[in-house]
Amino acid sequence: GDSVTQMEGPVTLSEEAFLTINCTYTATGYPSLFWYVQYPGEGLQLLLKATKADDKGSNKGFEATYRKETTSFHLEKGSVQVSDSAVYFCALKASGTASKLTFGTGTRLQVTL
Amino acid sequence: GAGVSQSPRYKVAKRGQDVALRCDPISGHVSLFWYQQALGQGPEFLTYFQNEAQLDKSGLPSDRFFAERPEGSVSTLKIQRTQQEDSAVYLCASSLATGGPSEKLFFGSGTQLSVL
Repeated sequence: GDSVTQMEGPVTLSEEAFLTINCTYTATGYPSLFWYVQYPGEGLQLLLKATKADDKGSNKGFEATYRKETTSFHLEKGSVQVSDSAVYFCALKASGTASKLTFGTGTRLQVTL
Repeated sequence: GAGVSQSPRYKVAKRGQDVALRCDPISGHVSLFWYQQALGQGPEFLTYFQNEAQLDKSGLPSDRFFAERPEGSVSTLKIQRTQQEDSAVYLCASSLATGGPSEKLFFGSGTQLSVL
């Protein structure tokens, strides 16, 4: 079945450091890929998405590129801020289905001054 | 406008009790989903409604779990004879459309269920 694997956390960085959170997936066909973020005490929010190979999703300084050859969708940000501290979830939506998402286990990011 | 609203925010139940969790989706949203999120894990799909029709219930873990959306708006997830393994955060999500590749889901803050 479909699955998403992402790096375990927590990831602890100093403010202005470079961020990478790895995500790889297993799916048949051509899934859509997503990053969701969960800030403390809040619901999951869509951060960015990509629907086909080589697409780059971007939002709030975060970006991720859909790499079909490596089945990856790594999340990056050039300079993190304390306000980016949250849990980040990689997810996929299989092609041809209603919006049932398959999530990874989440990666907690802690950014310190 | 208002987002997806879930109630109660926290629920404590004794093992064997029945519980009902409520979801108010964003007005006009056709699709509604329930997910279960165990501690330290990602959300796992439970069930999906398109308007009042339950189109996919493949994720419901047992026949103790039941969901309904009788008028195509508010939804209730019911768990009968709760067990300790049911302890989790139950998330509701809604979306405007019925399943394009980039369709955006809006999540509620969840109901944290603790079964003692």
